[in-house]
Parts: sequence; structure tokens; C-alpha cells
Amino acid sequence: QVQLQESGPGLVKPSETLSLTCTVSGGSISSYYWTWIRQPPGKGLEWIGYIFDSGSTNYNPSLKSRVTISLDTSKNQFSLKLSSVTAADTAVYYCARDFPQYYDMDVWGKGTTVTVSS
Amino acid sequence: QTVVTQEPSFSVSPGGTVTLTCGLSSGSVSTSYHPSWYQQTPGQAPRTLIYNTNSRSSGVPDRFSGSILGNKAALTITGAQADDESDYYCVLYMDSGIRVFGGGTKLTVL
Repeated sequence: QVQLQESGPGLVKPSETLSLTCTVSGGSISSYYWTWIRQPPGKGLEWIGYIFDSGSTNYNPSLKSRVTISLDTSKNQFSLKLSSVTAADTAVYYCARDFPQYYDMDVWGKGTTVTVSS
Repeated sequence: QTVVTQEPSFSVSPGGTVTLTCGLSSGSVSTSYHPSWYQQTPGQAPRTLIYNTNSRSSGVPDRFSGSILGNKAALTITGAQADDESDYYCVLYMDSGIRVFGGGTKLTVL
């Protein structure tokens, strides 16, 4: 079955760019929205955005100016870049598969913790 | 700015029935928002319980059901069990394509 695995630095300095990658195994990249979601410590889930297999993207308006999601189909990976980070960006970051026909984020990675601190 | 509202906390007795709701700060939730519900236990990634208003995800017990009640989406747990004690999140799909999570409900079973 499809599995997702997040990877990237666990510590990022303020004002720098957070970069994470999600590797998709056991399935195809085609026909899904590949999504990033985050959860600050002790708080709720926040949808960051997605990229479709065509390369089209959609971002949370509150993060749009700082977010880029990209796709590398040759490696079955998609990536998140979040620029100009502050302590408020400290969170567990999840990647997920969003199944558009069913309106279901049906497969999630285990999540990776990113701390923003100098 | 769209705000999706959920009860911050709820309590249910073992064997009891509880209905959690998912609303909009302005307007009504309908099937057009395709509400979905996720369960999250501490340290774990969320898992789908209900998608597209009332479709139960594979392997989810039938004591979980989704619906629209009045102007909100609803998740009903019938015959609550101790291991239902979790955080529950709804998500709405907007016309623009963006998804918006509710703030989550912490359910206690006692």
C-alpha cells in the first residue's frame, strides 16, 4: 500500500527557509493532490497547500506569500519550502495524499518535527 | 477569512452517544463542503473516519457516522468506547479548492 515519509532538517533558524521532502512509496503520484499539513505544539491541524500531478498548486491564503510546493515525479517526491520562518512556524509537519474523487486525505506520513530557533 | 468551528471539548460516558459538530463562522455547512472527519491520538498522525459527509473509511467501526444536522456537519459516535478518547478534526473543502480544518474537539470518555 502507499506510504509517505517526510524528511528534512529538524532545526531551522529564524528568517531562513524551511525545506521538507515527502517520498511516496508503493504507489503512483498520478491523479492525487499531494498535500502538506502542520500542527504546532498543543494546537490543531493547519492545511498548508497541495500540488496536483499536473503541477498546479493551491495554498492556504494565510501562508501563500511564503509557501512553495513542488513535485519531482521522477523521484516520486514532493517538497515544501516555507520562507522567512519564525518561531510560530515550529510544528509537526505532515505530508498527505488527498484523493480528489472522495474528498479524503486518506494516507498520511508519520510527521516530522521542525523547530525554528537560533 | 473562513473559520471552521468545533466544540473545544466534549465528554461522553462509556456506551453513550455523542455528536460533535463542525460549523462555519458565517454561513451553513452543506454537503457542498464535503466535510470529512479525522481522529488523532497523541503522537500519531490523523486518520480518516468519515469522508464526503457520510462515507465511512475502510476499517472504521460502524459506531461512527457522519451527517449534516441543521447548518453543521456532524460526527456521531454511538456506543462510545474508552479508546474513542481522542482529538477529532473536521475539514471543509472550499469552492476555491482550499481545505480548512476546524480547531478540533478533545473527546473524553469517562
